[in-house]
Amino acid sequence: SQQGEEDPQALSIQEGENATMNCSYKTSINNLQWYRQNSGRGLVHLILIRSNEREKHSGRLRVTLDTSKKSSSLLITASRAADTASYFCATAPTSGSARQLTFGSGTQLTVLP
Amino acid sequence: SAVISQKPSRDICQRGTSLTIQCQVDSQVTMMFWYRQQPGQSLTLIATANQGSEATYESGFVIDKFPISRPNLTFSTLTVSNMSPEDSSIYLCSVEGKWGMALDTQYFGPGTRLTVL
Repeated sequence: SQQGEEDPQALSIQEGENATMNCSYKTSINNLQWYRQNSGRGLVHLILIRSNEREKHSGRLRVTLDTSKKSSSLLITASRAADTASYFCATAPTSGSARQLTFGSGTQLTVLP
Repeated sequence: SAVISQKPSRDICQRGTSLTIQCQVDSQVTMMFWYRQQPGQSLTLIATANQGSEATYESGFVIDKFPISRPNLTFSTLTVSNMSPEDSSIYLCSVEGKWGMALDTQYFGPGTRLTVL
C-alpha cells in the first residue's frame, strides 16, 4: 500500500510562478526523497531530506520536512515549461534491513508558457 | 548519479507469454529493486533483488509470476510470466549504494513500457 498522499493531485500554473506540492506519510521514516517523472519515463531524483533535517535547497527547489506532522513540501520557484512533469515523494523506513521506498500518489504539474 | 539501462525500453506482447526485462548498472551497487507503475498510478515495489540468493517479494507479488535474477552486483532481470492485459505497466529497476554516491539515494532506470494484448 502507498505510504504517502500528495496534494494537489494536479496543479496548473503560469511560467514564472511558484509551485508547491505537499506530501503526507504515515509511519516513521529515515528519509524522504522527491522524484520527477516526465510523461511515463524513468524517475529523476531531485532531492533527499533526512529525518533530522527540516529544510534543504537545490537550485530552484526547496524541500521542507515536518516529522511531527509527517509531512513534506516541495517548492519549485520561477517555474518553467520544462518543469511540467509528475512529482512523487517517496519515504524510506527507519526499521528493518530493507531499504525499499514507498511512493506517494504523485502530483501532475503543468506549467503553461 | 548512476547510469542505469533497461532492455527492452518497450514491448507489446500477447497474453500467456513471458517477457524478461534486463537492468544493467555502470558500476557495482549494493541494492537493486524492481517497481511496477500501472497506467496513471504511482510506483509499487515488486521485490528486492538479492545477489546470489532468492529475491524478497512484497505482499501481492510472487516468484512464480515475477521471477527475478541477480547474478552479480551490476545486473538483474525481472520476468513477467504468463502475462495478461492487467500486467500492462511500466516496470522500473532502481539501485542504491553505488560507490561514491550518497548511500541512501535510489536512482531509477528509464523503465520498460509493457503492453499486453
